[in-house]
Amino acid sequence: DGGITQSPKYLFRKEGQNVTLSCEQNLNHDAMYWYRQDPGQGLRLIYYSQIVNDFQKGDIAEGYSVSREKKESFPLTVTSAQKNPTAFYLCASSIQGTGGAYSGELFFGEGSRLTVL
Amino acid sequence: AQSVTQPDIHITVSEGASLELRCNYSYGATPYLFWYVQSPGQGLQLLLKYFSGDTLVQGIKGFEAEFKRSQSSFNLRKPSVHWSDAAEYFCAVGTIYSGGGADGLTFGKGTHLIIQP
Repeated sequence: DGGITQSPKYLFRKEGQNVTLSCEQNLNHDAMYWYRQDPGQGLRLIYYSQIVNDFQKGDIAEGYSVSREKKESFPLTVTSAQKNPTAFYLCASSIQGTGGAYSGELFFGEGSRLTVL
Repeated sequence: AQSVTQPDIHITVSEGASLELRCNYSYGATPYLFWYVQSPGQGLQLLLKYFSGDTLVQGIKGFEAEFKRSQSSFNLRKPSVHWSDAAEYFCAVGTIYSGGGADGLTFGKGTHLIIQP
């Protein structure tokens, strides 16, 4: 079945460490996104990529980095510069393009919960 | 910049009763509007979406939403809730550019739905 796979589901990190969250999709979608979710805050956009080898900062990109070397993969690195990294991280993808092919709908993975000890 | 307001943080409804979750958006043009549902520790699932045309849209699980341009609202409704509807509900707005690209969705902070037996 097509979908988005995020790993690991749970991750614990010591302060000062970088960690990388994996996101893989087999939906053949061009665009991929990373959101951060905190209780009572909704979802906030960290980074997005509309095409391979290109990505843009979202609203809260500081302390995070991404790469997009393959269409199906969009890993997120939470660096030691991120002051409050404990959160639930969601990866999503969408179709791009004109006409009826594009719906704006995001397809989400199951999320990764990062806890800083 | 676009924004979404969900005025109700929590809503408690008796099983079998009707439900309405409120959503107001701020956007200069005709928006793309979405409602998503999230169970604890899970990703988001699309309930329904509005792009154009009929302002009353039907979704999955018996939900519907009505787009009211004059009120900048996109409220979600269900005539009779079930215990399994207990979850977090998010309203979102998107922008579609003329080239078919998009930069993700802007989400409200969510409404937590509690179902009383």
